[in-house]
Amino acid sequence: SYDLTQPPSVSVSPGQTASITCSGDKLGDKYASWYQQKPGQSPVLVIFQDTKRPSGIPERFSGSNSGNTATLTISGTQAMDEADYYCQTWDTSNWLFGGGTKLTVL
Amino acid sequence: QITLKESGPALVNPTQTLTLTCTFSGFSLTTNGVGVGWIRQPPGKALQWLALIYWNDDRRYSPSVKSGLTITKDTSKNQVVLTMTNMDPVDTATYYCVHRPSYNNYFDSWGQGTLVIVSS
Repeated sequence: SYDLTQPPSVSVSPGQTASITCSGDKLGDKYASWYQQKPGQSPVLVIFQDTKRPSGIPERFSGSNSGNTATLTISGTQAMDEADYYCQTWDTSNWLFGGGTKLTVL
Repeated sequence: QITLKESGPALVNPTQTLTLTCTFSGFSLTTNGVGVGWIRQPPGKALQWLALIYWNDDRRYSPSVKSGLTITKDTSKNQVVLTMTNMDPVDTATYYCVHRPSYNNYFDSWGQGTLVIVSS
């Protein structure tokens, strides 16, 4: 089976850049998406097709995907960005999620 | 604007069958390429995709979830129904209904979720 691996936690200071990685075999050959989930809320799509932002998502959110790793980057991180983040891809009719990363803005 | 809303029992006994209904608006499940799926999240754990039904009635199920899943649609009512047989306490989770945009493999709209507890 295909697995996506994320670090359990990432910490960042306000105003700094946060990077959250997602690793999978030849992930760069597939599309990666990212979801933000705040406590008690439903997930929200923040990046799709590796690099695209849905309307309404701030420009500070960006994505990349190459080799075995997809990365979500949040520039100028704000306190409101503190949340769990999940990567997701699709492989042979199977939608897969990473284990999630808790982003703490200290 | 796309909206989805899950409904179903909050408490299910072990071994019983769970039936969840997703009622949606803002799109049609007859549009080519569109899909509606179900994703669950046990308390404090990660998201897990369960099933998806396409506009053409093609269906996909997670190979890592136990058998006993069935997904169906009623386009006249704008509803998608998920049934899970032989429920177990490990199936306790929040269940989300999601929209798959046409010919894409991500989920751009999510329902509010419904918490299902499996306990006697």
